Amino acid sequence: EDKVVQSPLSLVVHEGDTVTLNCSYEVTNFRSLLWYKQEKKAPTFLFMLTSSGIEKKSGRLSSILDKKELFSILNITATQTGDSAIYLCAVKNTGNQFYFGTGTSLTVIP
Amino acid sequence: NAGVTQTPKFQVLKTGQSMTLQCAQDMNHNSMYWYRQDPGMGLRLIYYSASEGTTDKGEVPNGYNVSRLNKREFSLRLESAAPSQTSVYFCASSERLQLTDTQYFGPGTRLTVL
Repeated sequence: EDKVVQSPLSLVVHEGDTVTLNCSYEVTNFRSLLWYKQEKKAPTFLFMLTSSGIEKKSGRLSSILDKKELFSILNITATQTGDSAIYLCAVKNTGNQFYFGTGTSLTVIP
Repeated sequence: NAGVTQTPKFQVLKTGQSMTLQCAQDMNHNSMYWYRQDPGMGLRLIYYSASEGTTDKGEVPNGYNVSRLNKREFSLRLESAAPSQTSVYFCASSERLQLTDTQYFGPGTRLTVL
């Protein structure tokens, strides 16, 4: 059975902290892994990863994929209250089907 | 360019009533999806349509039907609503391009079944 597992389920940090969110997967015919941010509305796209070891970076957010160990991490440095959201990990297979994890709920306290 | 649009935004039904959720995209994407999102459950795929004229069941298809009316529109129908179908429903679309592989989501429909 294809599945995506995220950890931790929830996280509370103080502004300025660095956080690491984890995503492991077991999906046949893997094509790509995607990270989304969801703030009380529809998910918005953050990163797409297809190759192992190549870090994607956008401001304070970065992500990397390990296709051998079947996991990805999302790092957020110098967290701000605006980073409070649910972060979703999804894996897409070659059949254009997406499998989502349950998400990590991040709360950043001022 | 509106992206993915969904109607209605909110709906309250009584058990046994039927309704159709509408979704349209203007990005010329081939693939469209319906998800439901429940607290602590993440996004679960109900049905998807890889291309116009095809539909396939996802993880939780029971109690739902879909229609891919044309390339732009993909509707989700609840024939006889049940309280277990209370959820937020998201429609999404995607295209397999060389450099980007993501899904674009609609704003969601919050459905309550009493």
